[in-house]
Amino acid sequence: DTGVSQDPRHKITKRGQNVTFRCDPISEHNRLYWYRQTLGQGPEFLTYFQNEAQLEKSRLLSDRFSAERPKGSFSTLEIQRTEQGDSAMYLCASSPYSLNTGELFFGEGSRLTVL
Amino acid sequence: AQSVSQHNHHVILSEAASLELGCNYSYGGTVNLFWYVQYPGQHLQLLLKYFSGDPLVKGIKGFEAEFIKSKFSFNLRKPSVQWSDTAEYFCAVNSAAAGNKLTFGGGTRVLVKP
Repeated sequence: DTGVSQDPRHKITKRGQNVTFRCDPISEHNRLYWYRQTLGQGPEFLTYFQNEAQLEKSRLLSDRFSAERPKGSFSTLEIQRTEQGDSAMYLCASSPYSLNTGELFFGEGSRLTVL
Repeated sequence: AQSVSQHNHHVILSEAASLELGCNYSYGGTVNLFWYVQYPGQHLQLLLKYFSGDPLVKGIKGFEAEFIKSKFSFNLRKPSVQWSDTAEYFCAVNSAAAGNKLTFGGGTRVLVKP
C-alpha cells in the first residue's frame, strides 16, 4: 500500500501522559498536514509542513502540541500532558507541491482516547 | 477567514432515492471546492473537486456537484443511491488567501436503507 500511513491506529492513555503519533506520507509528496477530528465534526486544521519546514500552525495547536518533520519525510505529532479534551482522531494528509490546489490524500488516522 | 457549512447533519433514505447534500462556503475570492467521503472504517477519500471551468463537476460513483458562485454553494447530488453510499460526506474549500490548507464543513452522515 503506497498511501499515507499512520501509527498507532489507536492509543488509550491516562490524563497527564505524553503521546506521540507518526505519519508516513506518500513518498513523493512534500507537503504534510495534521488535522484533528472529533465526533460529529469535520476535520480541523492543526499544522502543515512543506518538506521539513513547518509553515503554518493553527491556534488550536496549544503549546502542549508539537509537530516535527525532521528530514522532510515522516512526521511526528506529540501531545504532552494529555487532557480529556484531546480525545479525538488525529488525521495526517499529504500532497505534492505541484498540486497546488488543496487536494489532500488522507491516512486512516490515529484515534486518541484520554481517560 | 473561510468557513464551510453543511445544512444536514444526518440523512436517511432508501435505495434508489435521490440524494442532495447542501454546502455553502463563506469567502468572496477564488476558491477550490471539494467533496470528500468517509466510508465506515475507512479514510477520507476525494469524491470530486472543482477548480475552474464547467460548474457542474462529475466525480466517482455517479456523484456530481454544482458550483453556484452567486450562492456560494457547492451542492452534492446523486440521482439514485445505493446501500454502499452509506458514509459521511464532507464539503471542503481551499483558497489562496487561506494558504495551502482545506477548511471542512461539519459533515453529513448518510444512511441508505436497503
